[in-house]
Amino acid sequence: NAGVTQTPKFQVLKTGQSMTLQCAQDMNHEYMSWYRQDPGMGLRLIHYSVGAGITDQGEVPNGYNVSRSTTEDFPLRLLSAAPSQTSVYFCASSYMAGGFRSPLHFGNGTRLTVT
Amino acid sequence: RKEVEQDPGPFNVPEGATVAFNCTYSNSASQSFFWYRQDCRKEPKLLMSVYSSGNEDGRFTAQLNRASQYISLLIRDSKLSDSATYLCVVTTSGGYQKVTFGTGTKLQVIP
Repeated sequence: NAGVTQTPKFQVLKTGQSMTLQCAQDMNHEYMSWYRQDPGMGLRLIHYSVGAGITDQGEVPNGYNVSRSTTEDFPLRLLSAAPSQTSVYFCASSYMAGGFRSPLHFGNGTRLTVT
Repeated sequence: RKEVEQDPGPFNVPEGATVAFNCTYSNSASQSFFWYRQDCRKEPKLLMSVYSSGNEDGRFTAQLNRASQYISLLIRDSKLSDSATYLCVVTTSGGYQKVTFGTGTKLQVIP
């Protein structure tokens, strides 16, 4: 099973460039989310979605956009990259049924460096 | 106060030792609790869910104390392969699922 697939695995951008991080899951999960992980900060939620056509902001949404046109895909767009966006990005998904007791399934991560 | 707090460690323990981690959470309305394991430069992976009555999976035991608002993870007979960072995760329902991660506790098992 593919699970959650993220691309690319590594990316270097120059300040001001834009790019899209791709995330796809094949488990028919309603809930999808993007996190960034920085040393000493833990995982911080950027944006999340509870179904196709529905997205909302997390803890650190500035500088990022998302869309959810299908259940499977949840791309993250960096509008104008800044060095502060250098981080490791994880996409994660889960079922929403069962009173939020379903654990998150993570992609392999994207290591982004902005110079 | 952080919503979810963990001792960052590192905990350096010899092989075969028993080690325990605690994690405190601030929101009394929190509903679901998990321990994840994260290896260096890899994605977090679910280690175990934490149930109110406590639960065990092989060498791993998880406990929940709602009154004191903490969860714990006990690892018995530590193996070298247990070396990793252990993340405490708390889920709260606020309309939608809100998932909060602790910053992790690093464990290093020494030969």
